[in-house]
Amino acid sequence: AQTVTQSQPEMSVQEAETVTLSCTYDTSENNYYLFWYKQPPSRQMILVIRQEAYKQQNATENRFSVNFQKAAKSFSLKISDSQLGDTAMYFCASRTLYNQGGKLIFGQGTELSVKP
Amino acid sequence: GAVVSQHPSRVICKSGTSVKIECRSLDFQATTMFWYRQFPKQSLMLMATSNEGSKATYEQGVEKDKFLINHASLTLSTLTVTSAHPEDSSFYICSARDRETGMGKLFFGSGTQLSVL
Repeated sequence: AQTVTQSQPEMSVQEAETVTLSCTYDTSENNYYLFWYKQPPSRQMILVIRQEAYKQQNATENRFSVNFQKAAKSFSLKISDSQLGDTAMYFCASRTLYNQGGKLIFGQGTELSVKP
Repeated sequence: GAVVSQHPSRVICKSGTSVKIECRSLDFQATTMFWYRQFPKQSLMLMATSNEGSKATYEQGVEKDKFLINHASLTLSTLTVTSAHPEDSSFYICSARDRETGMGKLFFGSGTQLSVL
């Protein structure tokens, strides 16, 4: 079974600073994807960044980067130069490629507040 | 990018009535769609996986007779909450997998807030 755990219910950061959100996961599969999604107050799910498990290189998307530690099953998200618009719920998620229908399983979420 | 249209965005109904929520992929074919439920300040909980032309696969603890899912075409899946009760009040979100791009990409609808009085 897939599980995703986010141990930080809430985080806050000052504008322009850097924050790291933690995530650990468990899966018995070898082929899977990991994701970070952002859910602003509108509740629309927005993909922030995606990591294929077979790739050793950490994914980056502008101010967003991940630290993927496959052996430790850890997948943290670093947001650099935080902006007020980054305020949202952030969900870590995993998805297997073949088994379990390719379903996406979410962690509990971290509510991030960026303070001016 | 690919668009998933979900309607209605908000619905209020009386206890005992049924409500249908539609999820459409507008510019791609979706062989698989997923339905999630989200309570306030909580995570998205997967309810079921629907594959075009076949019966949906429900997660443990989700009543299949309560939450009817139909995926009759490659662009439309529907979730019907039958005989809704106040405890069914929640935010429901669909997501769809683009048949062409493979397993990596899912696209989300904008969600439906269901309030049962």
